[in-house]
Amino acid sequence: NAGVMQNPRHLVRRRGQEARLRCSPMKGHSHVYWYRQLPEEGLKFMVYLQKENIIDESGMPKERFSAEFPKEGPSILRIQQVVRGDSAAYFCASSPRTHTVATEAFFGQGTRLTVV
Amino acid sequence: DQQVKQNSPSLSVQEGRISILNCDYTNSMFDYFLWYKKYPAEGPTFLISISSIKDKNEDGRFTVFLNKSAKHLSLHIVPSQPGDSAVYFCAAIDNAGGTSYGKLTFGQGTILTVHP
Repeated sequence: NAGVMQNPRHLVRRRGQEARLRCSPMKGHSHVYWYRQLPEEGLKFMVYLQKENIIDESGMPKERFSAEFPKEGPSILRIQQVVRGDSAAYFCASSPRTHTVATEAFFGQGTRLTVV
Repeated sequence: DQQVKQNSPSLSVQEGRISILNCDYTNSMFDYFLWYKKYPAEGPTFLISISSIKDKNEDGRFTVFLNKSAKHLSLHIVPSQPGDSAVYFCAAIDNAGGTSYGKLTFGQGTILTVHP
C-alpha cells in the first residue's frame, strides 16, 4: 500500500480553520475512495471519485465536507470550519481503471487530523 | 446501524496456535467479503477475500470461512506468529447494484496479540 501517498501524515487545526487532505493514487489508478476512522471505530466510507467525477458521496456529511479528484493532481478532501468531532484518521484508497469487485483497493497510510 | 460487526474487541493467542477472528453481518445484499490487517499509524492492508458463491478460501496460513445462512464469516490464522499482532478488520461489498466498485463496509476491528 506504499504506492498510495497521503499527505500530510499529521495535521493539527484550530476550531474554525480549514483542513485539506491530499491523496495521490497508485500509478495507473483512476478510482479513489475516502474513508474516515473515528477513535475506537472501524473505517467508514465517505466518498468515491473517478477523475473529475464524484460517483458516490453518500457517506459525506452534508455540510463543511467536500472532495475532488481533478484531471491533474491529487484527490483533495476539504473540511471547512473544522470542529473537534472531525478529529479522526482519514484514509484514501485507490483502485485501477479496470476495477471490479474482485480487485482489492490499496490504502494509503492515512492523515491523522487533530482539531484543538 | 452497524451492518458489519466484530464483537470481540481483542484476542490473545500463543505463538504457534490458531487464531480465529469472527465477523457477523446483517445486510443480505453483501456478496463479497474481505479481511484487512492494520498496524498502528499505517493504512489497512488486504489479506484475503471470499465471494458469496464460495464457503472457503485459503491462502497460506490464512483461511476465510463464509456461512451465508448464519451471515457469519471467520478468519483462521494457523500457525499464529508474533508478527501477526495487529488490528484485523472484516469488510463487505454490496455489488447487487452492478456498479462493481469497491465501496467497503467495515467492522469495528479486532486487536490480535500473538505472544511468543
